[in-house]
Formats: sequence, C-alpha cells, structure tokens
Amino acid sequence: EAGVAQSPRYKIIEKRQSVAFWCNPISGHATLYWYQQILGQGPKLLIQFQNNGVVDDSQLPKDRFSAERLKGVDSTLKIQPAKLEDSAVYLCASSNYRGLDEQYFGPGTRLTVT
Amino acid sequence: GENVEQHPSTLSVQEGDSAVIKCTYSDSASNYFPWYKQELGKGPQLIIDIRSNVGEKKDQRIAVTLNKTAKHFSLHITETQPEDSAVYFCAARGGSQGNLIFGKGTKLSVKP
Repeated sequence: EAGVAQSPRYKIIEKRQSVAFWCNPISGHATLYWYQQILGQGPKLLIQFQNNGVVDDSQLPKDRFSAERLKGVDSTLKIQPAKLEDSAVYLCASSNYRGLDEQYFGPGTRLTVT
Repeated sequence: GENVEQHPSTLSVQEGDSAVIKCTYSDSASNYFPWYKQELGKGPQLIIDIRSNVGEKKDQRIAVTLNKTAKHFSLHITETQPEDSAVYFCAARGGSQGNLIFGKGTKLSVKP
C-alpha cells in the first residue's frame, strides 16, 4: 500500500512571497490532516478534513494560510504572504474513518522563509 | 484543552540496554495514546498505540503502559539497537474530533 505523498520536499522563499504544498493521502482514507512542525517541537494540527469538508481549522492562521480538498482526495495548503516564523516542516497525514483510526504521516515539506 | 508533557528531552543508552520515555496528559477524557518515531528528514512513523480500556500493550521489543488514574503513559524499548536512534513523540487524543496533541519529543541515541 502506497503511503502519504507530499511535494515538494523542500522549498525556500523570501518573506512576503507565497507558497503551496500538495498532499495525496493513502487510498481510501477519508480524513486528511495538515500539521506544522517547528524545529525541536512536536507536530501541531493546522486543519482537519473529513472527505472534502473542514472538521477543525481552529489553529489555522486564516489571514495567511488556506487549505482545500476539493474532490475529497488530494489537498493543497497555501501560505500567502509568508513570514519568517512560518519556517517549519509541513506534514500531511491521513486516517481511515472519521479520524478515530491511526494517523499515517507523509515525509513532509521543509519550508525555509528568508 | 489537552496538554502533553514528555520527558526526558534527550536520552542516551548503550546498545542492549532498555530505554523508557514518559508522558503525562491533562485531559481525563483522552482515550487514545500513540507513539511515533521520527528519523531525520522523514515524517513520524506510528510504532505502537494504546487505548484507554487497556493498561499495557507489547509488540516485540516495544511496550507501552497507561495509568489513567495518574494520567501518564510510557514507552519501553528493550534490547536497544543503533537503528532505534531517532526522535520519539507521544501524543494524546481526546473527545470525538480525533485531534492528536503531541509532546515535544525525546531524542534517543543508542551507542554501539
């Protein structure tokens, strides 16, 4: 079974620029998550989708971050404009049923904002 | 909301020794406690988990114990090997939303 795919793996941008990350979850997984992992810390949830609907986006900085999962499969996370403090690894995870099952993570995208 | 504390932040052991990592949580409604291993440049990998209706779970060299009264859970790795070297994260999930709250991680180094 293929795992969670993410791209790009690395991205370097200047502050105030925009960036987008892509995630393809495990086939058949209805729930998709985006996490932010700052160096030296555990992952922090940004947004959770159930199929193509948002379940929880309470920790998403909505003035600059947006995410979508239009057809209930792939998802895109965008940052516009980026700030220095957005430098982190952005992880995508998926789980099978209503988020009550195990979460499986992708390799992440390492973002550096200069 | 839920808060998860993890200790120690770094742990160095000799190959063959045991390693123990401890976590405490604050929300008594939390019911699911996974452990993840994260190697450099990779995403977290689920290695073992435990639910609140079980006190202990084992999988080969790895075991997890849960004390609901004290609100803490621990990861035990026996007969450590150099390939066990990584950062380990505990997490707790409360309520029905399925949101995981992670600890800050423990960097385990196993010296040959």
